[in-house]
Amino acid sequence: GIQVEQSPPDLILQEGANSTLRCNFSDSVNNLQWFHQNPWGQLINLFYIPSGTKQNGRLSATTVATERYSLLYISSSQTTDSGVYFCAVSYTGNQFYFGTGTSLTVIP
Amino acid sequence: DADVTQTPRNRITKTGKRIMLECSQTKGHDRMYWYRQDPGLGLRLIYYSFDVKDINKGEISDGYSVSRQAQAKFSLSLESAIPNQTALYFCATSAYPADRAEQYFGPGTRLTVT
Repeated sequence: GIQVEQSPPDLILQEGANSTLRCNFSDSVNNLQWFHQNPWGQLINLFYIPSGTKQNGRLSATTVATERYSLLYISSSQTTDSGVYFCAVSYTGNQFYFGTGTSLTVIP
Repeated sequence: DADVTQTPRNRITKTGKRIMLECSQTKGHDRMYWYRQDPGLGLRLIYYSFDVKDINKGEISDGYSVSRQAQAKFSLSLESAIPNQTALYFCATSAYPADRAEQYFGPGTRLTVT
């Protein structure tokens, strides 16, 4: 299967700081998504971004498919951004492969 | 109402018991998936289904079975639960073609096997 590595594994930020989360994958993909798992365990869709750049409020994401990585940018972080951020990829749409996540803690 | 629902949300069961987790969706998607999440890890695929007659094993299907009762319903069974099946279980759906569509997740079922 496709190997997915996320970095950093843990991140602690002061409220208002910016951060960049990275997702590297080992093979070509047609599908890449970023999710936020909140402290209650719910998985929230952030971006569907197999290539290119998208922005949604304080969050933006960029995927460079040819170089097999994606970046998630969080600006002006808030305590509600705390949780775990996952990257998930697929080539066929049959099997989706998840990274082990970046655990983000935003301190007031 | 939520588009993807899972029941029960929490369950404690004993080793050797049979248990069924249920998933329903109102998104009209053909594709449905079951994942498990262990602490500190990402999600791993157990089974996936592209329609009522098409069910496929995922990465970690041993010890599990599934049933696709209708387009909107996909259930996961543990025939004889064991403690290392303690985990958070998620159901997900996606539209066709799945390789170019978002997955949407249910709220999860927290299963504890004692």
